[in-house]
Amino acid sequence: EAQVTQNPRYLITVTGKKLTVTCSQNMNHEYMSWYRQDPGLGLRQIYYSMNVEVTDKGDVPEGYKVSRKEKRNFPLILESPSPNQTSLYFCASSPQGGLPYEQYFGPGTRLTVT
Amino acid sequence: AQKVTQAQTEISVVEKEDVTLDCVYETRDTTYYLFWYKQPPSGELVFLIRRNSFDEQNEISGRYSWNFQKSTSSFNFTITASQVVDSAVYFCALSEALEYGNKLVFGAGTILRVKS
Repeated sequence: EAQVTQNPRYLITVTGKKLTVTCSQNMNHEYMSWYRQDPGLGLRQIYYSMNVEVTDKGDVPEGYKVSRKEKRNFPLILESPSPNQTSLYFCASSPQGGLPYEQYFGPGTRLTVT
Repeated sequence: AQKVTQAQTEISVVEKEDVTLDCVYETRDTTYYLFWYKQPPSGELVFLIRRNSFDEQNEISGRYSWNFQKSTSSFNFTITASQVVDSAVYFCALSEALEYGNKLVFGAGTILRVKS
């Protein structure tokens, strides 16, 4: 089944404790991105990747890191999480970034930082 | 910068009523795409439609219809004969061209509550 998977789905952590949210897609998509969803703000892009080893900042990259060592995986890293990073996170992929194809979203990861 | 405005924060209707969700956008691109996504209470994002800026024909899919008007920069979404299962958050989104590729700019979303 074609899908985007994220792990974990729910995470409660404490300020400053490094964490990684994994994202994997099995559709051989070139383009992947991370969004965060906050009430009243919709979804905002954190980082995106056009292909392996090519990543760039989105609208709200502060406090986040990403890497794209393999085509299928695009982990989101919070080196030192803070309470303002409490949010619902979505990973997405699409066939290529040059055209705005439909983006396939993962199920979301709800992160709480205390 | 690109911007999507969904002025209706929350709408409540009774089952079988028709309801229209508004979406107004701003863009400097001459070619762009508009999207609608549905987010049911379970939390996942469900793709509903993609429309490019050159195609102003209205689209109908079952009880769903979309009205794209370039002159007013609007891409409104109507649900006919609403059902309780339509209760969700609905997002309108606009593609923004980047140096390499593009991204989606989302509106804040409209919460739709359909009561039986």
